Amino acid sequence: DAGVIQSPRHEVTEMGQEVTLRCKPISGHDYLFWYRQTMMRGLELLIYFNNNVPIDDSGMPEDRFSAKMPNASFSTLKIQPSEPRDSAVYFCASMPGVGGTGELFFGEGSRLTVL
Amino acid sequence: AQSVAQPEDQVNVAEGNPLTVKCTYSVSGNPYLFWYVQYPNRGLQFLLKYITGDNLVKGSYGFEAEFNKSQTSFHLKKPSALVSDSALYFCAVSPSGGYQKVTFGTGTKLQVIP
Repeated sequence: DAGVIQSPRHEVTEMGQEVTLRCKPISGHDYLFWYRQTMMRGLELLIYFNNNVPIDDSGMPEDRFSAKMPNASFSTLKIQPSEPRDSAVYFCASMPGVGGTGELFFGEGSRLTVL
Repeated sequence: AQSVAQPEDQVNVAEGNPLTVKCTYSVSGNPYLFWYVQYPNRGLQFLLKYITGDNLVKGSYGFEAEFNKSQTSFHLKKPSALVSDSALYFCAVSPSGGYQKVTFGTGTKLQVIP
């Protein structure tokens, strides 16, 4: 398996623009997570899905952030409008469901810079 | 609420010496405990986990960790450090009854000096 695939790896945009980050989880994994990593706040859980359904979005910073999972093999994290404080590395991770014990499989991350 | 504390921002160790990266946790019920490693510009990689059973767990690359319930600790150890072990290490915890909700520590940078 190719692992969790994220795109783009790097994104530079200007304040006010819409940003869409994409993720393909490992096939067969029932859970998908979006994390954000910054120097100041470390690794924060934004939202997670189970079988394509959002379960907990309490970590989403504000209404400018939205996430979708239209099918088992694809998820997006959208920021509209983007602000400089959104600059961070965004990680997608997936986890098996049945028989799983909490081990997360991370993608390589999408580094977002908002100017 | 669950939490993880990694008291050291950075640990320096000479190559060949034993290393320890500290972690303490707080969680309701029985914990699932994890260590992950992150190399520069990469995602986190799973190293090892404690679910139940033997308090000493062994993982990838010669790392091991010891679960201590009374001290609520899960320190990462390796008998002999390699320069290639230099990276950022994260401890994480989740409750066994809700293992999907994983909380990470702030990370400890390990620097192995040749």
